[in-house]
Amino acid sequence: EPEVTQTPSHQVTQMGQEVILRCVPISNHLYFYWYRQILGQKVEFLVSFYNNEISEKSEIFDDQFSVERPDGSNFTLKIRSTKLEDSAMYFCASSDTGQGIQPQHFGDGTRLSIL
Amino acid sequence: QKEVEQDPGPLSVPEGAIVSLNCTYSNSAFQYFMWYRQYSRKGPELLMYTYSSGNKEDGRFTAQVDKSSKYISLFIRDSQPSDSATYLCAMTPGGYQKVTFGTGTKLQVIP
Repeated sequence: EPEVTQTPSHQVTQMGQEVILRCVPISNHLYFYWYRQILGQKVEFLVSFYNNEISEKSEIFDDQFSVERPDGSNFTLKIRSTKLEDSAMYFCASSDTGQGIQPQHFGDGTRLSIL
Repeated sequence: QKEVEQDPGPLSVPEGAIVSLNCTYSNSAFQYFMWYRQYSRKGPELLMYTYSSGNKEDGRFTAQVDKSSKYISLFIRDSQPSDSATYLCAMTPGGYQKVTFGTGTKLQVIP
């Protein structure tokens, strides 16, 4: 079964450094998303992306965050200057187009640890 | 009032039991409802999805939505130890819009 893949599985970064999280969505999907889950808390929406632009973003997704689809297969989340509170699991998701509900399929996440 | 409320558990049941997992929500705009299963250190895995009110069955799993009460349920019949995981309810106003998750209910099925 096709799946969303994310790399790396674990990223350790010093506070203030830039970090890029990578995702390969399911190949025929055109909608892409990032979510995060702080330890012990619920999964929270960050941003959605379609047709090379942001469709929707949450208040968490401030100027420190950016997303990009640099080629036909990858989808990235960049955090420019990491803070301690950015430590979390980051999940990428993708969904197909078409009529009716097109549920989002998630990768296994990148655990980001800020020191 | 939280947008989506879900009892965090943990819920512990013997193998073979019927499990009932529930969520309530406050946002009338939610039209699509999903249940995800999440194992430790893994991503949410889609179990079931449904549109608006009604029931949907898939094997041992039944999803139920009551929009008038703003209440959704997931039933697991003949529960197995492999069903032990955290179950997340999730909902969205539209097919491509942000999904709002509950906090998850941790389920343990004891052999």
